[in-house]
Amino acid sequence: GAGVSQSPSNKVTEKGKDVELRCDPISGHTALYWYRQSLGQGLEFLIYFQGNSAPDKSGLPSDRFSAERTGGSVSTLTIQRTQQEDSAVYLCASSPTGASQRGETQYFGPGTRLLVL
Amino acid sequence: AQSVSQHNHHVILSEAASLELGCNYSYGGTVNLFWYVQYPGQHLQLLLKYFSGDPLVKGIKGFEAEFIKSKFSFNLRKPSVQWSDTAEYFCAVNAQSNYQLIWGAGTKLIIKP
Repeated sequence: GAGVSQSPSNKVTEKGKDVELRCDPISGHTALYWYRQSLGQGLEFLIYFQGNSAPDKSGLPSDRFSAERTGGSVSTLTIQRTQQEDSAVYLCASSPTGASQRGETQYFGPGTRLLVL
Repeated sequence: AQSVSQHNHHVILSEAASLELGCNYSYGGTVNLFWYVQYPGQHLQLLLKYFSGDPLVKGIKGFEAEFIKSKFSFNLRKPSVQWSDTAEYFCAVNAQSNYQLIWGAGTKLIIKP
């Protein structure tokens, strides 16, 4: 079956511009996660969606970052007024239910590589 | 705050050598532990995980990891590596009460043919 897809795969933008990154999770997965991976570092949690519940936005680094998930499926991460420090790989993952107790596997997309000039 | 430490950022081995990648975490409660792998040009994918039961966990491609609670460790092992094991390996942990995964910085493994 289809895995998690993300678009665009690469994005180059100028400082101050807004960007939108898209994630299509695996069909039927109710949990969706966004992460950021900067060069030489591990993944940094950004935001979590679970079904119709309010998202956990505790990882968003500033109010320039926002995300939404429409119809419980596709998600868009928006970065407004981009800065050079926003340059990173943005990864999306989904999982069937978000059941943390049982060590549920997260399935990752290929990521969007963002470069802010 | 929780943290995950991977001791080696780069490891270079010859084929058939044995592998052990270290992972230590800081959290006093019950945890789930994961090793993910990213092969060149591919997505991150699960290698193996532990959430309960036998602390020695076997994963894909001959990898295994042992959870030692007293040492807060979850080291990854493989007795004989292959050139195709060249990849970046990430250790991740979450408290069983919290879905947020905390990630190590990753270890880049290069296997010389």
